Parts: sequence; structure tokens; C-alpha cells
Amino acid sequence: AQSVTQPDIHITVSEGASLELRCNYSYGATPYLFWYVQSPGQGLQLLLKYFSGDTLVQGIKGFEAEFKRSQSSFNLRKPSVHWSDAAEYFCAVGAFNTDKLIFGTGTRLQVFP
Amino acid sequence: SQTIHQWPATLVQPVGSPLSLECTVEGTSNPNLYWYRQAAGRGLQLLFYSVGIGQISSEVPQNLSASRPQDRQFILSSKKLLLSDSGFYLCAWSVKTGSQETQYFGPGTRLLVL
Repeated sequence: AQSVTQPDIHITVSEGASLELRCNYSYGATPYLFWYVQSPGQGLQLLLKYFSGDTLVQGIKGFEAEFKRSQSSFNLRKPSVHWSDAAEYFCAVGAFNTDKLIFGTGTRLQVFP
Repeated sequence: SQTIHQWPATLVQPVGSPLSLECTVEGTSNPNLYWYRQAAGRGLQLLFYSVGIGQISSEVPQNLSASRPQDRQFILSSKKLLLSDSGFYLCAWSVKTGSQETQYFGPGTRLLVL
């Protein structure tokens, strides 16, 4: 069965510092991978997605993620965090033969000035 | 461009009362539609999804139901709310391009059952 693990429940960084949020998935075939961001009281906004091709994916707001098949990971990165990046981040996995996504439990990012 | 609407934005209901949450999508045809629930401090739980009018798949047995009376309208209902139904309800839509499908989310409805 498909599953997604986000090992870090809560991360705190200083503004301007680099960021990496971890995501590990379990799936037998090539997955489709997504990162979403949710600000408090809001819906989820798509940051980036991976279907195939280049394993380094660029997204909105300066985020990028790298698909590493050997590690079953799809970690989200940003070189310099802004205070407005404080939010909850969700990794999700989908597949070719299903209309559904499996979401991780989320990582809450706090940014200190 | 496509937009998704949910209403109401916030709802406070007594235990045992009925519920109707509505989701509509504009700017696309024959989307897949989804209802998720997000309990406080937890991830997203898929409740229902629909691939067409009148076609509903239920993921979790509960006192909620869903209907899709029109192509771009998805309704979440309950005859009698429970305290455990409190949460943040998110509607999402997607369209497949070949084998690739991306879900886009609405703004959500916060439901508090007292």
C-alpha cells in the first residue's frame, strides 16, 4: 500500500536560513509526487509536482524538490526562508492507476526574524 | 482560468442538526471532485471522491454523505451531526492530462459542532 512519511512534525528556522523538509514515500511503482503549503485557516496551495523527467523540480515561491528513487524521498528545499513561508507543508503521493492522493501528516514551519 | 468555491466559510452547528456544505468549480469540465476532512493538528483524510455526475466513492464509513447533482457541483451532507464531525473540510478538483493528474484545493469550510 502507498504511504507517505514526513518525519518532522515541527521545524523552526531563522529568516534567511536554508530549509529542507523531508518526505519519504512507499510505493511499488514510479509515484507522482506533490508538495502543498497551507497557511492557517486556508486551503492547500500546490507548490510543485513531479511526474517524470528531470528529478529536480522547481516550484513557486522559490521552492524546489528533488526526487531520489534510491532513497524513496522527495525533499523540499529553499535556499533562504522568508517570514511569509511560515505555514504547514504537506507531501503527497499519487499513482498512474488511481484518482487518489495519499498525504503525509504535515510539517509545521515556524520562521523567526 | 479555473476557480473553486466553498461555502459557507465557517459554520457552527449543534449536535444532531443537519449539514450541507457546497463546492463548485468554474472554468473546467468533467473534473474529478474530492472532499477531505482535516481535524485539528492532523493531516488530510479523504472522505469522498467523484469521477462524474452521480458517481460517488466513499472512503471512510461515517454519518456523512456526498452528492454530485451537476458536473461542477459537489455537496457534503449529514442528517445528524456528531461532535467528532468538527474539523476543516476541503474540496478539491482535478483533471487528468494523459496519465497525469493534479489536485487543486478550495479555501475550506471550518465546521464546529457543539
